[in-house]
Amino acid sequence: NAGVMQNPRHLVRRRGQEARLRCSPMKGHSHVYWYRQLPEEGLKFMVYLQKENIIDESGMPKERFSAEFPKEGPSILRIQQVVRGDSAAYFCASSRRQGADTEAFFGQGTRLTVV
Amino acid sequence: DAKTTQPTSMDCAEGRAANLPCNHSTISGNEYVYWYRQIHSQGPQYIIHGLKNNETNEMASLIITEDRKSSTLILPHATLRDTAVYYCIVRAAYNNNDMRFGAGTRLTVKP
Repeated sequence: NAGVMQNPRHLVRRRGQEARLRCSPMKGHSHVYWYRQLPEEGLKFMVYLQKENIIDESGMPKERFSAEFPKEGPSILRIQQVVRGDSAAYFCASSRRQGADTEAFFGQGTRLTVV
Repeated sequence: DAKTTQPTSMDCAEGRAANLPCNHSTISGNEYVYWYRQIHSQGPQYIIHGLKNNETNEMASLIITEDRKSSTLILPHATLRDTAVYYCIVRAAYNNNDMRFGAGTRLTVKP
């Protein structure tokens, strides 16, 4: 039973390019969360999605960032026109259903470096 | 935005029990206490969670006070590989289901 899979593990982008980060949840999980961790800082919630729906995007920057979780395929976190400040580790987590009695499991993250 | 308070850092001797406290004095009746840890820069690892009763699994024990205003995570026999940042999180049952991480406790297990 594979865990949460994120790819790529490392991504280098030049300023102004687009970054696409993918997250495949655990089998049977239909809820996905994205977090960002800046160097030497804690995890910051970005967005919570269910299949085909964004439930809570209160942590997403207003511009350049978007997320989706289509009916088929992985969840995608998209960052347009990246800037150096976007350099961070991006983690996703998945859970089987809604409800705080259901644990969420994290992937190993994508480390984005903007040069 | 975290609803919990944890010590910034703790040390523990290898082989001894590590007791990590967490205060959540504003916890409400339908909120769960969760513990995760992050080893170096890896993805956070789920440890344990509970609502009212004490819980135990293969990794740790979770002791929740009767008034639920605080809890303690216990690693019964700490090893060097348990060195990590430990996060105590309160999750609301019906509130968008997100988890807000605070600064956590940096546990260092020493030989």
